[in-house]
Amino acid sequence: AQSVTQPDIHITVSEGASLELRCNYSYGATPYLFWYVQSPGQGLQLLLKYFSGDTLVQGIKGFEAEFKRSQSSFNLRKPSVHWSDAAEYFCAVGADTGGFKTIFGAGTRLFVKA
Amino acid sequence: EPEVTQTPSHQVTQMGQEVILRCVPISNHLYFYWYRQILGQKVEFLVSFYNNEISEKSEIFDDQFSVERPDGSNFTLKIRSTKLEDSAMYFCASSDVGRLEQYFGPGTRLTVT
Repeated sequence: AQSVTQPDIHITVSEGASLELRCNYSYGATPYLFWYVQSPGQGLQLLLKYFSGDTLVQGIKGFEAEFKRSQSSFNLRKPSVHWSDAAEYFCAVGADTGGFKTIFGAGTRLFVKA
Repeated sequence: EPEVTQTPSHQVTQMGQEVILRCVPISNHLYFYWYRQILGQKVEFLVSFYNNEISEKSEIFDDQFSVERPDGSNFTLKIRSTKLEDSAMYFCASSDVGRLEQYFGPGTRLTVT
């Protein structure tokens, strides 16, 4: 069955430090992968997506993610974190099971300390 | 840029009452979805809808739930008799014929008291 695992429930980084959020997926076919960000009480904002092609994808707000098929991973990175990046981050996979749907991971909450 | 809209942004209802959550998908999209996020938990798929019928539904989507596209623009989720555990954020989404990417609305926070 399709699934997404985000092994870190929460991460704390200092402002200006680099960030990597981990994501592993389980999906039998070519995955369609997404990262979303959610501020408290808010909706989901798409940061970036991978469908095919270049395995390093660039997104908004300076984020990037790398698809590694051999590791079934799609980790999110940012070279220098800003205080406004504090939020919940969700990795997701698009699953075509006849009726297409998005399967989300449990999320990683990012805390940024000054 | 076109976007998915949802109304109301927050709905409070008493247990046992019926609620209808409304969504206006992006106008040329053909696939419509509802997701649920209980506070502090992950986003869960409820149902997908295409060509005026349900394509797929999760085990959460029981007989208390129904979806409808009453006209050419709206897509609704009805909960017939709300329970306390239905309290959650409900997200509507839509996608075009390629289906690869879903565009999410801002959500409706449903509070059942």
